[in-house]
Amino acid sequence: EAQVTQNPRYLITVTGKKLTVTCSQNMNHEYMSWYRQDPGLGLRQIYYSMNVEVTDKGDVPEGYKVSRKEKRNFPLILESPSPNQTSLYFCASRPGHYYEQYFGPGTRLTVT
Amino acid sequence: QKEVEQDPGPLSVPEGAIVSLNCTYSNSAFQYFMWYRQYSRKGPELLMYTYSSGNKEDGRFTAQVDKSSKYISLFIRDSQPSDSATYLCAMSAGYGGSQGNLIFGKGTKLSVKP
Repeated sequence: EAQVTQNPRYLITVTGKKLTVTCSQNMNHEYMSWYRQDPGLGLRQIYYSMNVEVTDKGDVPEGYKVSRKEKRNFPLILESPSPNQTSLYFCASRPGHYYEQYFGPGTRLTVT
Repeated sequence: QKEVEQDPGPLSVPEGAIVSLNCTYSNSAFQYFMWYRQYSRKGPELLMYTYSSGNKEDGRFTAQVDKSSKYISLFIRDSQPSDSATYLCAMSAGYGGSQGNLIFGKGTKLSVKP
């Protein structure tokens, strides 16, 4: 089944404890992206990648890192999480020259 | 002024009603317009796609784009309780590379009551 998977789905952590949210797609898509979704603010792009080793900042990149060492994986790294990073995170992918993005199921992160 | 404006609702309608959802935008470079549907505790999924101006119909759903007014709409006919979800408009200037980065509206939460 073609899909985007994220792990973990739910995570509660403390301020300053480094964490990684994994994202994997099995559709051989070139483009991958991370979003956060907050009430009243909608979906905002954090980082995106157009292919292996090619990443760029989205609208809200502060406090996040990404890497794209393999085409299928695009992990989101929070080196020192803070409470304002409490949010619902979505990974998405699409073919390089196509409009439809496929979203993962989301990761609900709480930072205390 | 934000690039994409969407009334967050919530919007509550009786089953069978016609629903109208709308977004306005400011960036005249946008050419690709989409509506995503997001059920509770799920990721968004593409519902409708329109390139440039015009109408597109798919079953009970119709998407309209008026580029002269920078205004897009989604109509749902004969609404069903299963249509209860958050509807997100999204748009981009292109679909290749970074031009394909989507700008989303905040989403409108729709509830269809039996």
